Amino acid sequence: QVHLQESGPGLVKPSETLSLTCTVSGDSSSSYYWSWIRQPPGKGLEWIGYIYDSGTSNYNPSLKSRVTLSVDTSKNQFSLKLRSVTAADTAVYYCARLSSGHYDAVDIWGQGTMVTVSS
Amino acid sequence: DIQMTQSPSYLSASVGDRVTITCRASQSITTYLSWYQQKPGKGTKLLIYAASSLQSGVPSRFSGSGSGTDFTLTISSLQPEDFATYYCQQSYSTPFTFGPGTKVDIQ
Repeated sequence: QVHLQESGPGLVKPSETLSLTCTVSGDSSSSYYWSWIRQPPGKGLEWIGYIYDSGTSNYNPSLKSRVTLSVDTSKNQFSLKLRSVTAADTAVYYCARLSSGHYDAVDIWGQGTMVTVSS
Repeated sequence: DIQMTQSPSYLSASVGDRVTITCRASQSITTYLSWYQQKPGKGTKLLIYAASSLQSGVPSRFSGSGSGTDFTLTISSLQPEDFATYYCQQSYSTPFTFGPGTKVDIQ
């Protein structure tokens, strides 16, 4: 049973960098890759990007200039950095596992962590 | 970007009802379409992938159909635990995009 857990500050100041880490527990083969998805309060889901264990990544063009994803396979972790945040970046941030065997669906979601951007 | 729409955005139904939610893509996504269930405090769960494949452990009252641009999620007999918000998502091309959601509420 694979479990994903987000961690990081729940409050970030405007113009600063939002940093979150997702820890993966349980066995996970190379058929999977890793993603971040966010959901502003009361709104829908927005895909941020994904990253493979190799480090190859793909970002949503709407966020590409501010986002960096990274992976540390030795720690079973992957991370999100979002620079120059504004109030519009306030959201629940989910880490997720994408499965190539499931037509690239998200087969496992983290519980989500609320990040508020405010001074 | 591929735009995803869903209808209705809200529906009120009773236990035992047959419920159908529609998802439409702005261009063909073949069958790269997934359905998710989201419940407050209980997380988000994959129900259907590849448009019609039932995820392991998901009750058989859930089913999906469609290809190209038009898709449906059907709950054959609504149960109390099915009251939630449902999202479709395309993974045909990046950026992956989600529909705006359909909230299923108790009548």
